[in-house]
Amino acid sequence: AQSVAQPEDQVNVAEGNPLTVKCTYSVSGNPYLFWYVQYPNRGLQFLLKYITGDNLVKGSYGFEAEFNKSQTSFHLKKPSALVSDSALYFCAVRDPYNFNKFYFGSGTKLNVKP
Amino acid sequence: NAGVTQTPKFQVLKTGQSMTLQCAQDMNHEYMSWYRQDPGMGLRLIHYSVGAGITDQGEVPNGYNVSRSTTEDFPLRLLSAAPSQTSVYFCASSYSNRGGGRNEQFFGPGTRLTVL
Repeated sequence: AQSVAQPEDQVNVAEGNPLTVKCTYSVSGNPYLFWYVQYPNRGLQFLLKYITGDNLVKGSYGFEAEFNKSQTSFHLKKPSALVSDSALYFCAVRDPYNFNKFYFGSGTKLNVKP
Repeated sequence: NAGVTQTPKFQVLKTGQSMTLQCAQDMNHEYMSWYRQDPGMGLRLIHYSVGAGITDQGEVPNGYNVSRSTTEDFPLRLLSAAPSQTSVYFCASSYSNRGGGRNEQFFGPGTRLTVL
């Protein structure tokens, strides 16, 4: 079965500090990975995706993610956090055997304090 | 473009009642999907559609029906609501690349459903 795990329910970081939100995946085949952000009472918004190629993927709002095949990880990062980055973040993977199915992690709440 | 729209935003049902959650998109996306979001469980796929007249089951399809008569609309029906269906429901749509692969999804604002 395909899955992603987000080991931290919550991440706290001070404004201006770097942030990392962790995601590990379990996929039999080449992973097709995504990060989404959800602000309160809103739908999810796409941040970035990894398909193939460069292990460092750049996305919206200054976010980037590093794909690490040996550690089966796809951590979301940002060099300098903003208070406005406070939100719920989801990692997701596309099923390599059924391109129509996606599996989401349980979400990580990011709190950026001034 | 309005993107993906969902109605209603909130709904309270009694056990056994039926209702339809509406979803529409104006981006001409072939692929549409329904998810439910529960605390600590992330999003789980209920049903999806790859075009008008074509639907299939996701992870948690029991208790839900869907149909896709047009590219734009993808309603989700609860035939006999149960308290276990209390959740936030999201509709999403996506375009396809040349190989048929699904890409990032565009999500609606959600419907918060409570079943008493």
